[in-house]
Amino acid sequence: NAGVTQTPKFQVLKTGQSMTLQCAQDMNHEYMSWYRQDPGMGLRLIHYSVGAGITDQGEVPNGYNVSRSTTEDFPLRLLSAAPSQTSVYFCASSRLPGRGAVYGYTFGSGTRLTVV
Amino acid sequence: TQLLEQSPQFLSIQEGENLTVYCNSSSVFSSLQWYRQEPGEGPVLLVTVVTGGEVKKLKRLTFQFGDARKDSSLHITAAQPGDTGLYLCAGAEGAQKLVFGQGTRLTINP
Repeated sequence: NAGVTQTPKFQVLKTGQSMTLQCAQDMNHEYMSWYRQDPGMGLRLIHYSVGAGITDQGEVPNGYNVSRSTTEDFPLRLLSAAPSQTSVYFCASSRLPGRGAVYGYTFGSGTRLTVV
Repeated sequence: TQLLEQSPQFLSIQEGENLTVYCNSSSVFSSLQWYRQEPGEGPVLLVTVVTGGEVKKLKRLTFQFGDARKDSSLHITAAQPGDTGLYLCAGAEGAQKLVFGQGTRLTINP
């Protein structure tokens, strides 16, 4: 089982460059999300989606765009990279809950991004 | 966004000792999850607690959800080097959004 696949694993960008972080899941999960992880700050939500064609902003959305054209894919685009976007990025997916329940997330193995 | 505070942020103990990690908030959560993360990997779900006062056990790990559903604890008995990792608590906000604590980095020394 592939689960959640993120590419690339490592990336170095120059300030001002753009790029897309890829995320794909094969579990038919409706919910997908992007987090960034910085030392001492845990995981902070960037954007999330509850299904194809539906996206919404999380806690730290500035400088990032997302789209969800299929259930499987949820790419994260950096429009003009800045050093403050140096971080480890994680994509996660889950089923949407039924009444009174929440499901655990399945995470990808992350993309380590450095902006110089 | 609701906040979750974990303590301690760092913990280094000897193999065989017991330890407790705390996850606290001023807000009520409908459920709370604990994850463990190893270097270079994404977090992996350990447990979900839903009911106030609920206690769940996973081998040597015991998880408790506070009666008021504002806090949780993770207790490890007879810690082993394989328990080393970053432990994250996460509270459910809305339908499926999770807000994460900053994590507790645990090191078990042989």
